[in-house]
Amino acid sequence: DGGITQSPKYLFRKEGQNVTLSCEQNLNHDAMYWYRQDPGQGLRLIYYSQIVNDFQKGDIAEGYSVSREKKESFPLTVTSAQKNPTAFYLCASSIPGSPVSYGYTFGSGTRLTVV
Amino acid sequence: EDKVVQSPLSLVVHEGDTVTLNCSYEVTNFRSLLWYKQEKKAPTFLFMLTSSGIEKKSGRLSSILDKKELFSILNITATQTGDSAVYLCAVEPEYNTDKLIFGTGTRLQVFP
Repeated sequence: DGGITQSPKYLFRKEGQNVTLSCEQNLNHDAMYWYRQDPGQGLRLIYYSQIVNDFQKGDIAEGYSVSREKKESFPLTVTSAQKNPTAFYLCASSIPGSPVSYGYTFGSGTRLTVV
Repeated sequence: EDKVVQSPLSLVVHEGDTVTLNCSYEVTNFRSLLWYKQEKKAPTFLFMLTSSGIEKKSGRLSSILDKKELFSILNITATQTGDSAVYLCAVEPEYNTDKLIFGTGTRLQVFP
């Protein structure tokens, strides 16, 4: 079955460490996104990519980095520069240029906790 | 700055009650408004609204859009405990059709 897989589901990080969250999709979608969700703040866009080897900053990109070397994969690195990384991270994908609802699919998320 | 505001932030009801969730937006060149239900992890798609005054309905859930007043409502009738979730409203702007602007969400808790 087609879908988006995020791993791990839960991640603990010590302060000062970088961690990488995985996002893989087999939907053949060109566009992929990373959102951060905090209580009471909804979803905020971190980075997005509309095509392989290209990506753009979203609204809260500081302290994060991404790569898009393959169409299927869009990993997110939370660096030590991110001051408050504890949050729920959601990855999504879509078919660019089409109505968003037709192909906007979410992964199951990764909950990152800094200890 | 584009923004989407949902209210209330939280709502607690008993089974059988009817609830109305609100979503207002300020987005340049609006294209569509979407409602999602998020129970524990991945949001699931409920409705997409593009035209004013046309109600979308799915079982006990319904939604309508008012493009003049820039808001949408999501109604849930005869609520059940399985309706407990965070309901997210998102707007797709015309100028960048691949990005969604999300509201803060409304947390609905339905007790037996």
